[in-house]
Amino acid sequence: DSGVTQTPKHLITATGQRVTLRCSPRSGDLSVYWYQQSLDQGLQFLIQYYNGEERAKGNILERFSAQQFPDLHSELNLSSLELGDSALYFCASSVEIAGRRDGYTFGSGTRLTVV
Amino acid sequence: GQQVMQIPQYQHVQEGEDFTTYCNSSTTLSNIQWYKQRPGGHPVFLIQLVKSGEVKKQKRLTFQFGEAKKNSSLHITATQTTDVGTYFCAGQRNNNDMRFGAGTRLTVKP
Repeated sequence: DSGVTQTPKHLITATGQRVTLRCSPRSGDLSVYWYQQSLDQGLQFLIQYYNGEERAKGNILERFSAQQFPDLHSELNLSSLELGDSALYFCASSVEIAGRRDGYTFGSGTRLTVV
Repeated sequence: GQQVMQIPQYQHVQEGEDFTTYCNSSTTLSNIQWYKQRPGGHPVFLIQLVKSGEVKKQKRLTFQFGEAKKNSSLHITATQTTDVGTYFCAGQRNNNDMRFGAGTRLTVKP
């Protein structure tokens, strides 16, 4: 157990639907990052939150949105799903020390399959 | 687009052979991190390098950060089947932006 909890582990849904992925960061970590990993691909950065505020945006589609709640857990919302959205979605958390990030702790991921 | 280039994309070795993956950035990095992702697993943090020219070792793994803080390498001596996986570098720039390389997938033939 890495300390970062992601639910659900697997999700199968139809095109056009909307899903919510949930992430609880490691205790004490204020930063949460979302990544998308398609089959045999690298990690595509989607978005970062720090202590409830959006900190950075990557290649996140307009159909996707996220938020971080006061208890620091985060949710990634994916809407109007397309077949190409099928992927592993990872959440990671970290601490920042004097502007430098410590190593990321990744969750086990949510495998989304859009049919 | 990807601003941290990692090569090679794939590497297949015989057990006992050495393995090296390289990471290059177009801009100076404040630090670089390395991760390992086993097949079917999630990325796991291995190490962070901060200083120019820094070299760190973890058993058979040697990590280097270039003098200009634009490149890094991970070298595995005498690979074992347990080394199989994808190795990612991630570079942080001074503006706090962290970029992952595309990863090097290592397979080891017993």
